[in-house]
Amino acid sequence: GNSVTQMEGPVTLSEEAFLTINCTYTATGYPSLFWYVQYPGEGLQLLLKATKADDKGSNKGFEATYRKETTSFHLEKGSVQVSDSAVYFCALSGGNAGNMLTFGGGTRLMVKP
Amino acid sequence: GAGVSQSPSNKVTEKGKDVELRCDPISGHTALYWYRQSLGQGLEFLIYFQGNSAPDKSGLPSDRFSAERTGGSVSTLTIQRTQQEDSAVYLCASSSLHGVQPLHFGNGTRLTVT
Repeated sequence: GNSVTQMEGPVTLSEEAFLTINCTYTATGYPSLFWYVQYPGEGLQLLLKATKADDKGSNKGFEATYRKETTSFHLEKGSVQVSDSAVYFCALSGGNAGNMLTFGGGTRLMVKP
Repeated sequence: GAGVSQSPSNKVTEKGKDVELRCDPISGHTALYWYRQSLGQGLEFLIYFQGNSAPDKSGLPSDRFSAERTGGSVSTLTIQRTQQEDSAVYLCASSSLHGVQPLHFGNGTRLTVT
């Protein structure tokens, strides 16, 4: 079945630092890939997505590129802000395992001023 | 309402008691999901409903867990004879159709079994 592995947190950065959160996946077929974000006290919300190989999803300064050759979908941001402090979840759906959304373990990001 | 609503937001119960968690999805969304978020772990799929089709219960961890969705709208997740390992945040999400992104999540119910 499908599975998603992402780096454990917490990740602590200073404001304006560069962010990378690694995500790799296991799936057969051609899944779609997602990053969801959970801000403190709020529900998860979709941050960005990519539906085919080499696609780049982007939103709010965050980017992630669907790399089929390395089965990865790493999340990056050039300059983080305190307001980016949240838990980030990598997820996938589709491929040969159907449309169920499978999540990674989540990575907590803390940005200090 | 504007989003997915879950109640209660927090629930503390004694081991062995039954609990009911409620989810009110976005109006018109036919797909509804329950996930469990345990400390230090990712989101674990529990069950989903799509319209009037039979629910996919493949993620329910034991027969103490059950869920229903009345009238294609509100859903209730019931945990019987709660155990301490049931302590987690229970998240509900809905989407316009199964497989269609994004999922819209509620804020969750934090369940603590003492």
